[in-house]
Amino acid sequence: GQQVMQIPQYQHVQEGEDFTTYCNSSTTLSNIQWYKQRPGGHPVFLIQLVKSGEVKKQKRLTFQFGEAKKNSSLHITATQTTDVGTYFCAHSSSWGADGLTFGKGTHLIIQP
Amino acid sequence: EAQVTQNPRYLITVTGKKLTVTCSQNMNHEYMSWYRQDPGLGLRQIYYSMNVEVTDKGDVPEGYKVSRKEKRNFPLILESPSPNQTSLYFCATGHSGANVLTFGAGSRLTVL
Repeated sequence: GQQVMQIPQYQHVQEGEDFTTYCNSSTTLSNIQWYKQRPGGHPVFLIQLVKSGEVKKQKRLTFQFGEAKKNSSLHITATQTTDVGTYFCAHSSSWGADGLTFGKGTHLIIQP
Repeated sequence: EAQVTQNPRYLITVTGKKLTVTCSQNMNHEYMSWYRQDPGLGLRQIYYSMNVEVTDKGDVPEGYKVSRKEKRNFPLILESPSPNQTSLYFCATGHSGANVLTFGAGSRLTVL
């Protein structure tokens, strides 16, 4: 599937600071999903965005899908130690064609 | 309890010794897939299956085989493992059209 680039690869923050990771594509995406993987764990689905300009919130997490559907972001407000892990974006070109393609992930490291 | 079960969770083997990693799900999901996760490379899709007897190559299928004889099972076969197949493997499943994946706990494979 078409590649998506995630930045940054690593992010160190102090506990309580905000954190943002970005997912960018050179072509229009039909959808974007976000997953979280805790250290030593497996990826867990967080959310899916499908509409241009869509914004969704889950407590301290805010997810956005760009107007052109070529980029997405995940923002965490006031990070906590439980937010530690790797955040992946993923997309499918169309269900039934090639499954999900994942970005390389952003590793969030939180210093207490 | 809804779950995706992978076995074995850990395996150390030697080059050329055939092995199978099993994946079983109890959620009646049509879609099943295998990913490998390597440092710096994120999650890369090996094979996927849209339903029984339907399988397709992902991005990195070389050296792997799969089968989907039953809806609940999707084994990953390494006919002649090589050291470059040392990796963390995840099975993931979902309903067709939903785009949301549920991952197994992972299988860490080391090929000496």
